Amino acid sequence: EAGVTQFPSHSVIEKGQTVTLRCDPISGHDNLYWYRRVMGKEIKFLLHFVKESKQDESGMPNNRFLAERTGGTYSTLKVQPAELEDSGVYFCASSPLSAKQFFGPGTRLTVL
Amino acid sequence: GDSVTQMEGPVTLSEEAFLTINCTYTATGYPSLFWYVQYPGEGLQLLLKATKADDKGSNKGFEATYRKETTSFHLEKGSVQVSDSAVYFCALARQTGANNLFFGTGTRLTVIP
Repeated sequence: EAGVTQFPSHSVIEKGQTVTLRCDPISGHDNLYWYRRVMGKEIKFLLHFVKESKQDESGMPNNRFLAERTGGTYSTLKVQPAELEDSGVYFCASSPLSAKQFFGPGTRLTVL
Repeated sequence: GDSVTQMEGPVTLSEEAFLTINCTYTATGYPSLFWYVQYPGEGLQLLLKATKADDKGSNKGFEATYRKETTSFHLEKGSVQVSDSAVYFCALARQTGANNLFFGTGTRLTVIP
């Protein structure tokens, strides 16, 4: 069974540009989560989808971040425009209903 | 609010040494507690978990006991191996309501031969 995949693995962009991160969850997992780890700090929750609906987006830092989950399958996280403080590793996780979360390898975003 | 405080690293140990990584938490109610591990180039993997007070989670020689009285969930292993080199994250999830995880800052462990 394929695990959670994330694309790209690394992204380097300049301040002010737009970046879109993608997450493909494990097939059949209704729950999809985004987290972020800023250098040296804790991994922080960003938002949670149940199928295509946003269940909890309380962790989204500001309106420069937009997450979508088309048809309840893959999800994208767009940052527009990117700022220096957005640099970090973005993790995606998926789970069946109320069960343990399976994490992807993360996307390392560097904003210059 | 809910939070996790984790021992800062990095930690460097010789092979077969004893490992302890401290973790304490703050939460309302009775959270579930987890240790996740991230090996180089890979995603986070669940190492072990405990869902109620006095539960002991164990896996791959690692253990952690849910201590409600000290709000702790310290990770231990009696004899580490080079292959245990990784970043370890302590985390909690509320038992009810949202299922999102609250993580500590992570502790990088390097085991040298």
